[in-house]
Amino acid sequence: KQEVTQIPAALSVPEGENLVLNCSFTDSAIYNLQWFRQDPGKGLTSLLLIQSSQREQTSGRLNASLDKSSGRSTLYIAASQPGDSATYLCAVRQPPGAGGTSYGKLTFGQGTILTVHP
Amino acid sequence: GAVVSQHPSWVICKSGTSVKIECRSLDFQATTMFWYRQFPKQSLMLMATSNEGSKATYEQGVEKDKFLINHASLTLSTLTVTSAHPEDSSFYICSARSLGTDTQYFGPGTRLTVL
Repeated sequence: KQEVTQIPAALSVPEGENLVLNCSFTDSAIYNLQWFRQDPGKGLTSLLLIQSSQREQTSGRLNASLDKSSGRSTLYIAASQPGDSATYLCAVRQPPGAGGTSYGKLTFGQGTILTVHP
Repeated sequence: GAVVSQHPSWVICKSGTSVKIECRSLDFQATTMFWYRQFPKQSLMLMATSNEGSKATYEQGVEKDKFLINHASLTLSTLTVTSAHPEDSSFYICSARSLGTDTQYFGPGTRLTVL
């Protein structure tokens, strides 16, 4: 059974700092890995998706890396801003067909609550 | 981009009543829909997966008679919480996927509070 762990559970930083959020997963046989952002009481916004064959993806101030063999991913946020404050969720997708499903189940970590203060 | 809506965004009900939550894909055909629940400060847990026109597949530990899922069309799935109890209070999020793609689009969630 896939388990996804995110460290730290919470992080508070001053504005402008570069920061790293960590995600680890127990089963390296993944199809892809995705980072999401969730604002309080809201749904999920997809930030970055890394296919299992890729090492990293970048979007603006965000960079996500993937080391499938070691079961790890990191989300790097450069020059953090108060508007980045949110919960960041990591999720890994099983390969289609795994576990008897055709869609590839998505397993989420518990998230890192990020607070960027001015 | 693809949009998934949920209705209502929040609902308060009395213990013992049933509550229906709707999930709609607004600009694409959702062949598969997923229902998740999220307790405060916890992650999303998959409850069930439904394919249009078929019975839903429930995750282990989720009572299918309590959480009724109907996916009657390619743009609508409903989750009915029957005989709701305070422990059913949670944030329910739906997600939709179109045929031939891996991308899941998430709805904004529904906050259910059972008194």
